[in-house]
Amino acid sequence: DTAVSQTPKYLVTQMGNDKSIKCEQNLGHDTMYWYKQDSKKFLKIMFSYNNKELIINETVPNRFSPKSPDKAHLNLHINSLELGDSAVYFCASSQSLGQNTGELFFGEGSRLTVL
Amino acid sequence: AQSVTQPDIHITVSEGASLELRCNYSYGATPYLFWYVQSPGQGLQLLLKYFSGDTLVQGIKGFEAEFKRSQSSFNLRKPSVHWSDAAEYFCAVGGSNDMRFGAGTRLTVKP
Repeated sequence: DTAVSQTPKYLVTQMGNDKSIKCEQNLGHDTMYWYKQDSKKFLKIMFSYNNKELIINETVPNRFSPKSPDKAHLNLHINSLELGDSAVYFCASSQSLGQNTGELFFGEGSRLTVL
Repeated sequence: AQSVTQPDIHITVSEGASLELRCNYSYGATPYLFWYVQSPGQGLQLLLKYFSGDTLVQGIKGFEAEFKRSQSSFNLRKPSVHWSDAAEYFCAVGGSNDMRFGAGTRLTVKP
């Protein structure tokens, strides 16, 4: 069973479109994240949610809107896609503080290409 | 604010040679420190982590890392590199809710 799964794995779309990436974890973790990895492999945190509440919201355009319907899911919706949004988006999860192992468990990534 | 610096963008070593990947961090308190590995087309996998205690930590795949508070470093080492170790390596600092990654070091292994 995949611990952190995200779909789709590949996404090719036109500028201006709206798209979503879904993430689910079956590890029972309280905290979930979205990271963006650019073409130079730099990993930048975008959002983190703890028990469905937004904890971290980095300087990300408000075209990006995360949604956490429950603590096992964290979806990412992107409006009005731009060329610079092309990247690999990673979902991750971890135990919350207090039960902290600190380890992040990553999905396999969703490669978004905006044409 | 916490941050991580990996000074080496790309390192090439021969198979069987020893390896050291550098990591320096900036953190206001005692840090939680991690090394992750990313194989091509894959997500990141934890190699090892440091929370407290013994400053030399052992990880998977024969890797180890040493925490040096005086140098704000957490360098990753392996005594003998295998071709399958070729990957991208990320140092990270922080903990739950907020993990910050370095820019990564790409490891190439020569036959």
